[in-house]
Amino acid sequence: EIVLTQSPGTLSLSPGERATLSCRASQSVSSSYLAWYQQKPGRAPRLLIYGASNRATGIPDRFSGSGSGTDFTLTISRLEPEDFAVYYCQLYGSSPEWMFGQGTKVEIK
Amino acid sequence: EVQLVESGGGLVQPGGSLRLSCAASGFTLRSHWMHWVRQVPGKGLLWVSRDNNDGSSTTYADSVQGRFTVSRDNAKNTLYLQMNNLRAEDTAVYYCARGGAASFDSWGQGTLVTVSS
Repeated sequence: EIVLTQSPGTLSLSPGERATLSCRASQSVSSSYLAWYQQKPGRAPRLLIYGASNRATGIPDRFSGSGSGTDFTLTISRLEPEDFAVYYCQLYGSSPEWMFGQGTKVEIK
Repeated sequence: EVQLVESGGGLVQPGGSLRLSCAASGFTLRSHWMHWVRQVPGKGLLWVSRDNNDGSSTTYADSVQGRFTVSRDNAKNTLYLQMNNLRAEDTAVYYCARGGAASFDSWGQGTLVTVSS
């Protein structure tokens, strides 16, 4: 069973700074099956990135995804006030078919 | 505009049953795989179940296998989750989500299920 581990657990940054979030799989996976979501308090998750590096519809270009094999990264180039939220990576695998990382909270420093 | 609206959540006793509904609009349900994902308040996301385009194939997380059943009525553009033999650990917000390319590209607002005596 593949395990997804996100780091750090919490990222404390100021608006305008760059955020780098990590998602590591316990074994090599296809980048086609890796996605990232943003979730704000009391709201449903929102798809940001699919296929490791493809922005979903309407997602600003300050969000970018990269990586392959076991290591994937979500980068927010310059944090806007509305970007402070929890971010989850997600993998389509085999057992279970769909799994999420435990999340990274990006908070205002 | 794609919209998913869940309903049917509430308070139920352990061992009880509940059926959630997810009304879809802005797209044709029969063209998409659909999922249920849950989240214990303050915790992470957990995929629960998947239903393919025509409902002929379903899969479940181990924790709900044999107790939950996903189904759909494409004519009504509605997805369902029948939950039986509910346990305290099933307490969560349940989201329906539209399947994208190995991801979930649209989500409902969620419905809270509380299992407690």
